[in-house]
Amino acid sequence: GAVVSQHPSWVICKSGTSVKIECRSLDFQATTMFWYRQFPKQSLMLMATSNEGSKATYEQGVEKDKFLINHASLTLSTLTVTSAHPEDSSFYICSARDRGGPGFTEAFFGQGTRLTVV
Amino acid sequence: SQQGEEDPQALSIQEGENATMNCSYKTSINNLQWYRQNSGRGLVHLILIRSNEREKHSGRLRVTLDTSKKSSSLLITASRAADTASYFCATASRAGGTSYGKLTFGQGTILTVHP
Repeated sequence: GAVVSQHPSWVICKSGTSVKIECRSLDFQATTMFWYRQFPKQSLMLMATSNEGSKATYEQGVEKDKFLINHASLTLSTLTVTSAHPEDSSFYICSARDRGGPGFTEAFFGQGTRLTVV
Repeated sequence: SQQGEEDPQALSIQEGENATMNCSYKTSINNLQWYRQNSGRGLVHLILIRSNEREKHSGRLRVTLDTSKKSSSLLITASRAADTASYFCATASRAGGTSYGKLTFGQGTILTVHP
């Protein structure tokens, strides 16, 4: 299957700093990428939909100024957690859909990023 | 919001036994997908079943879909210790626009298979 690479796999940062997480589709073009957040032993919560060349669409309750999303190319989306606080500590996962694939196919997921804010 | 409800929340079985997990959803869907997640890792796609399909097989996996009841089940036959993981169902909406391709995940079932 297609490969989505997410980097870094884990990061520890100090409160008040910003952290950037990258999501790359390695062997296909992704017009749309999705960013999820997952707390321990819980399900994935969609945060935002990243659209190449346009603004991201955020889910209700997700602060767009807190979680900055940039989708500058068909293979790369980034999520920046700004002014991170301990409550932002979580597992962040991205997924991407193949632009060339038929509609409503499987989504390919990155390996996730474990963010710990101290 | 998460529309999928899965049961059981946790399932513990012995190797060789079958494991059945159920998922219910609330809105109309285009398809329903099952994913597996090992602890602290990303998701691995297992199987996709479209709304006009009732049953699908892939190796030791069997998925059923009942759109009238808005429910699906995942059966893993002859389970192995390596099947230990969390399993999530996810629905893809029929809606277009910004909902296109968006997945809504269930709460997941934690499966433990004892050797």
